[in-house]
Amino acid sequence: SQQGEEDPQALSIQEGENATMNCSYKTSINNLQWYRQNSGRGLVHLILIRSNEREKHSGRLRVTLDTSKKSSSLLITASRAADTASYFCATDEGGLTGGGNKLTFGTGTQLKVEL
Amino acid sequence: SQTIHQWPATLVQPVGSPLSLECTVEGTSNPNLYWYRQAAGRGLQLLFYSVGIGQISSEVPQNLSASRPQDRQFILSSKKLLLSDSGFYLCAWSVFDFTSGDEQFFGPGTRLTVL
Repeated sequence: SQQGEEDPQALSIQEGENATMNCSYKTSINNLQWYRQNSGRGLVHLILIRSNEREKHSGRLRVTLDTSKKSSSLLITASRAADTASYFCATDEGGLTGGGNKLTFGTGTQLKVEL
Repeated sequence: SQTIHQWPATLVQPVGSPLSLECTVEGTSNPNLYWYRQAAGRGLQLLFYSVGIGQISSEVPQNLSASRPQDRQFILSSKKLLLSDSGFYLCAWSVFDFTSGDEQFFGPGTRLTVL
């Protein structure tokens, strides 16, 4: 079953504007991660926020986590055309049998930043 | 630095033919390895994961199998492909941390089309 659900499914903004994407999930998590995927490419890890953290920054990225609401948001400030990509949240629910961490991905938000 | 390779990048195969996709990781030892499939416009679905040589766990029943003959090599196979096996296959690795979790690093992916 789908754990993370991103909102909106698609977002189109002008360069320089801020982009906000939201993610909701259903079960308890160890951490939540955001990934970026350019069309037809592999995923690139952006940021990880642990369940005991509420906010995290990395460059132009700001992630918040509200475990009481089971939701997270990703804010990209001063967007650039190169930020055009799909963005996925992934929840880490804990260890897999024998080790490893299972990530459950949402369906993603397609961001388009226009010049 | 660590790198992850996947090949081939694209593949077109007829229904009923066999499949072998390969993933190799460089620059790390004893990684956790993962195979995901991404259907068009969807998130990622975990297919298999491996915490060590010869140790394979399957997340969903399917027409595919996986093997890990060497520490940094992960292979996805099928004896007879189905139309429904079409998709974008991604390999990923991580180094597991029991206390905090870790991000996963993805390969460039293989686009498989079954005709």
